[in-house]
Amino acid sequence: SQQGEEDPQALSIQEGENATMNCSYKTSINNLQWYRQNSGRGLVHLILIRSNEREKHSGRLRVTLDTSKKSSSLLITASRAADTASYFCATDAAGGSYIPTFGRGTSLIVHP
Amino acid sequence: DGGITQSPKYLFRKEGQNVTLSCEQNLNHDAMYWYRQDPGQGLRLIYYSQIVNDFQKGDIAEGYSVSREKKESFPLTVTSAQKNPTAFYLCASNREDTEAFFGQGTRLTVV
Repeated sequence: SQQGEEDPQALSIQEGENATMNCSYKTSINNLQWYRQNSGRGLVHLILIRSNEREKHSGRLRVTLDTSKKSSSLLITASRAADTASYFCATDAAGGSYIPTFGRGTSLIVHP
Repeated sequence: DGGITQSPKYLFRKEGQNVTLSCEQNLNHDAMYWYRQDPGQGLRLIYYSQIVNDFQKGDIAEGYSVSREKKESFPLTVTSAQKNPTAFYLCASNREDTEAFFGQGTRLTVV
């Protein structure tokens, strides 16, 4: 069962622009995580935000969480060609067993 | 260096053959997971294990089997009952309520 859904499915921007991806989910969560996947590789963890947090930053990444709307956003500022990848959100259900459940991802292409 | 290792990177399976994908971690994580990823798709959970000698079916367990005899190891067998096994398989591990660490994946192709 797919818990999170990312939007848009694909995003194409120019280097230097900001990229925003959104994630919506269905049930209450313990935390929400964002991951990055380069083509043909494993996923790499970017940021974890807990259900009692509203915003987190890490370098050029900013994540927000709105539990009332069951949604999160990932903002990549001043994008670079090297940011080209697929980005996934994952959630684990509150009161559950901490199993990361993934959406379908957003494919980001940053043109140099 | 701590990490999670999957092998082989590429695997070819003939019709009717069972194959086993290896996943080893030295992160001392209790929980381990197997996901399947089809082209352009998200990750679907096959099996997970939260403690040694125990594992549970995920959303798409049919045609797959696992074992968890050691904390470090969680091998996945793709049986002949899995009719469409061609996919990218990802193994992950985590501690309770923390981020997951992934292996580099195994690409399985039916020939």
